[in-house]
Amino acid sequence: DAKTTQPTSMDCAEGRAANLPCNHSTISGNEYVYWYRQIHSQGPQYIIHGLKNNETNEMASLIITEDRKSSTLILPHATLRDTAVYYCIAGETSGSRLTFGEGTQLTVNP
Amino acid sequence: NAGVMQNPRHLVRRRGQEARLRCSPMKGHSHVYWYRQLPEEGLKFMVYLQKENIIDESGMPKERFSAEFPKEGPSILRIQQVVRGDSAAYFCASSPPVLSRGTQYFGPGTRLTVL
Repeated sequence: DAKTTQPTSMDCAEGRAANLPCNHSTISGNEYVYWYRQIHSQGPQYIIHGLKNNETNEMASLIITEDRKSSTLILPHATLRDTAVYYCIAGETSGSRLTFGEGTQLTVNP
Repeated sequence: NAGVMQNPRHLVRRRGQEARLRCSPMKGHSHVYWYRQLPEEGLKFMVYLQKENIIDESGMPKERFSAEFPKEGPSILRIQQVVRGDSAAYFCASSPPVLSRGTQYFGPGTRLTVL
């Protein structure tokens, strides 16, 4: 799996958009970008994934740069319940494991 | 549609005892993964199983740990002769037989405490 780099922590005001960056400059052509989050010791929760096109679902949007070396997860209207550690993972769709790094601790403030 | 179920949620064992952790995947999912999260550390992959087969156990400690996913029933992660260093949260995840196996759905975890 390609190495990913994320900021250690970020803050966001409630109701504002949270934009979480991820660098994956060594990503290979068949590797997807996955985002998960872990809310205080709960099981990780899948958020979204993409290959090269931007993706949107009910939870978030994923913007992948054209060269695929970086991406941004967008939570359009952050709530207090979005406070969590967010993990960006680059991996093959046929792979077996998810390699979790340190992630970004997002704190949503009232 | 029930999510991934794990039991027990909390397990206390004394050093030298055995720990058995159970995981029932989501309905229709035939792929199961186990991860471990040591205190104040990140999640680490342990093993990937399909029904009656171990596909990838490269993250499993060489001794005392084993996993199975029988044809019927839940997946079991077994830790023999537990030591204090085994105290951790153990998470199970499942994914469907097709589509992206990077899309994994996690259970609530079993918190193992070794006294």
